[in-house]
Amino acid sequence: AQSVAQPEDQVNVAEGNPLTVKCTYSVSGNPYLFWYVQYPNRGLQFLLKYITGDNLVKGSYGFEAEFNKSQTSFHLKKPSALVSDSALYFCAVRDWGYGGSQGNLIFGKGTKLSVKP
Amino acid sequence: DADVTQTPRNRITKTGKRIMLECSQTKGHDRMYWYRQDPGLGLRLIYYSFDVKDINKGEISDGYSVSRQAQAKFSLSLESAIPNQTALYFCATSDLAGGMGEQFFGPGTRLTVL
Repeated sequence: AQSVAQPEDQVNVAEGNPLTVKCTYSVSGNPYLFWYVQYPNRGLQFLLKYITGDNLVKGSYGFEAEFNKSQTSFHLKKPSALVSDSALYFCAVRDWGYGGSQGNLIFGKGTKLSVKP
Repeated sequence: DADVTQTPRNRITKTGKRIMLECSQTKGHDRMYWYRQDPGLGLRLIYYSFDVKDINKGEISDGYSVSRQAQAKFSLSLESAIPNQTALYFCATSDLAGGMGEQFFGPGTRLTVL
């Protein structure tokens, strides 16, 4: 079965420190992977995606993600966290299932990132 | 994302009432989706549509119905609202033909059923 796991419900980081939000996946086809961010009282905003090519993908707001095929992971990273990065982060993978769901996204349950001053 | 709009943004209603949530998009995308978000449960897919004539049930369609009035409009109805339908509802769009599955989300509708 295709799935996405975000093993941490919450990640706490001090401002200025590097941050990592973890994501692992299971998919039947090529892994098309996405990260979204949700700020309070807002919709989900696209951060970055991996389709093919370099394993390190750069996205919005200084975020990047590292694709690791052998570990089936796509962890989100930022070298220096800001208080304004505090939000809910969702990892997603494209559904390659048969039938109508193909092309949909399968979302993880989300990880709350809290960055303290 | 202003390209995907949802109305209303907030709604409080009573058990048994019929509610309609509306979504409009100016992105020209064929695919549209309705999700609900509950704390700790992430996003769950309610319905999705590939075009005006194609409607598909998602993970949690019971108690909900949808209508795709045009390429740009996709509405979600709760025929008889119940308290456990209290949640944050999101509409999203995607362009599968031209993109890789990336979805674009509206700002959400916070629904409270008393």
